[in-house]
Amino acid sequence: AQRVTQPEKLLSVFKGAPVELKCNYSYSGSPELFWYVQYSRQRLQLLLRHISRESIKGFTADLNKGETSFHLKKPFAQEEDSAMYYCALFRSGGYNKLIFGAGTRLAVHP
Amino acid sequence: NAGVTQTPKFQVLKTGQSMTLQCAQDMNHEYMSWYRQDPGMGLRLIHYSVGAGITDQGEVPNGYNVSRSTTEDFPLRLLSAAPSQTSVYFCASSPDRTEAFFGQGTRLTVV
Repeated sequence: AQRVTQPEKLLSVFKGAPVELKCNYSYSGSPELFWYVQYSRQRLQLLLRHISRESIKGFTADLNKGETSFHLKKPFAQEEDSAMYYCALFRSGGYNKLIFGAGTRLAVHP
Repeated sequence: NAGVTQTPKFQVLKTGQSMTLQCAQDMNHEYMSWYRQDPGMGLRLIHYSVGAGITDQGEVPNGYNVSRSTTEDFPLRLLSAAPSQTSVYFCASSPDRTEAFFGQGTRLTVV
């Protein structure tokens, strides 16, 4: 079955420290993976997608098919990065569906 | 450009009551979906639609109905509210598989 696992409910770091939010997936086909972010009192929004191989707000994520992972990384965390982060898998075939992980709350302390 | 608009933002229901959560988008997206967000469980798909007149069930459809008579609107109906349906509900629309646009959410409490 298709599944997205985010093992950490909460990740707490200090400003300037490196950040890695973990995401593992199970999917039999070729995965399309995304990271969504929800800042306090704002709506959920797309942060980045693996096919773009882009860096958004200093965040990057590399798809590792061997380890079935799509970890989100940032070398130096900022306080404004504090938010809820969701890893998501696009499941194609038939009707397309976006499957979310349980989410990780990132808290960046001054 | 309003994007995805959900109403109401907050609602309290008594067990057994019915209600409809409204969702409208003005981006002419074909795909629309409803999720519920519960602590520790992320977003779970309730129902989705790939176009007007076409809907299907997601992971947790029991107790909910949907219809899609127009491209713009995708209401979610709670038939007989139960405390287990206390949650935050999100509507999303998407032009394709690249990005989903979310509404601001509806916080529902069933007492």
